[in-house]
Amino acid sequence: GAVVSQHPSWVICKSGTSVKIECRSLDFQATTMFWYRQFPKQSLMLMATSNEGSKATYEQGVEKDKFLINHASLTLSTLTVTSAHPEDSSFYICSANPQVNTGELFFGEGSRLTVL
Amino acid sequence: SQKIEQNSEALNIQEGKTATLTCNYTNYSPAYLQWYRQDPGRGPVFLLLIRENEKEKRKERLKVTFDTTLKQSLFHITASQPADSATYLCALVGTGRRALTFGSGTRLQVQP
Repeated sequence: GAVVSQHPSWVICKSGTSVKIECRSLDFQATTMFWYRQFPKQSLMLMATSNEGSKATYEQGVEKDKFLINHASLTLSTLTVTSAHPEDSSFYICSANPQVNTGELFFGEGSRLTVL
Repeated sequence: SQKIEQNSEALNIQEGKTATLTCNYTNYSPAYLQWYRQDPGRGPVFLLLIRENEKEKRKERLKVTFDTTLKQSLFHITASQPADSATYLCALVGTGRRALTFGSGTRLQVQP
């Protein structure tokens, strides 16, 4: 099956710093990738849709200036959490669909962010 | 408003029994519905997709039903094993959207 890789798998940072999370599709090209956030014991919440070569589409309530998304190539999307605060601590997961018509999503391993 | 509801209480069953999980949705007209498995600290893994014109779909010990009249999907694991213990998520694509929206998930615990 298709493989999506995320890095780092976990990161601890100080409040006020920025953190970049990378999402790569290893064996397919993805014009669209999706970024989700998951708080403990809750479901995945879509944050934004990352589009290769164009601006990301953010969900209502998600600050685009705080969560910067760059989809630089057909295999790489990055999420940068700027000026991170403790409330940004969460599990961030990216996903991609190698074949649009099937609808099946392949997820990265997730990135656990802890802001002190 | 659109909702996807799964039983938030954990389901505990004995090894060898059939586990049945429920997913109900409101204000969606999905072309298909998906089920995923998520282990703690990991990303979800795709299990099955069932289309609106399919009543039932099987894959090994897994079976999914889809009733668009009741707006409900049932997910069955037969001959359950302790290794099946995980959280199971159902997901839909909203009208005019590309991204999946997930239910809150049901945690399954299979006792040996």
